[in-house]
Amino acid sequence: DAGVIQSPRHEVTEMGQEVTLRCKPISGHDYLFWYRQTMMRGLELLIYFNNNVPIDDSGMPEDRFSAKMPNASFSTLKIQPSEPRDSAVYFCASIWGLAYNEQFFGPGTRLTVL
Amino acid sequence: GQQLNQSPQSMFIQEGEDVSMNCTSSSIFNTWLWYKQDPGEGPVLLIALYKAGELTSNGRLTAQFGITRKDSFLNISASIPSDVGIYFCAGQTSGNTGKLIFGQGTTLQVKP
Repeated sequence: DAGVIQSPRHEVTEMGQEVTLRCKPISGHDYLFWYRQTMMRGLELLIYFNNNVPIDDSGMPEDRFSAKMPNASFSTLKIQPSEPRDSAVYFCASIWGLAYNEQFFGPGTRLTVL
Repeated sequence: GQQLNQSPQSMFIQEGEDVSMNCTSSSIFNTWLWYKQDPGEGPVLLIALYKAGELTSNGRLTAQFGITRKDSFLNISASIPSDVGIYFCAGQTSGNTGKLIFGQGTTLQVKP
């Protein structure tokens, strides 16, 4: 299996621009998680989906952030408009079922907002 | 909110030395996970623990689920240069909510 795939790996954009991060979970996994990692706050859960339905988005920082999962093999995290404080590494993770919650992480997208 | 206190924050050791790090929480967890993150990569699961008192090994790594269910430790024996990275603990409370709470990480550097 290819593992969790994220794109792009690096994104540099200017303040005010729209940013879209993409994730392909491991085939057969029914839970997908989006995290943000910064030096100050560590790993924070933003939102997670079960069977393509958002279950908990309480970690989404502001209305500028939105996430979708149109099908079992694809999810997006969008920031519009982006701000410098959004600069971070964004990870996607997936699992099958919650019995053990051993989340498999993607390689991350390093976002820099100038 | 729930927090995990992970210590130490960083370690600089000599190759061949043993390493120990731990996490404590004010909440009771029913799952403890230990991850390692290499530079530029996502966290990779090392060890998973599901029962209080459980002691599990993975090669040179050993982790334990504390009896109180509020703590866990990870030991690395005979460290080697490729052990360099950031180690995270993560815990899940009862209810299978799907949320993992992560520690702040322990940065390990190994001097050859």
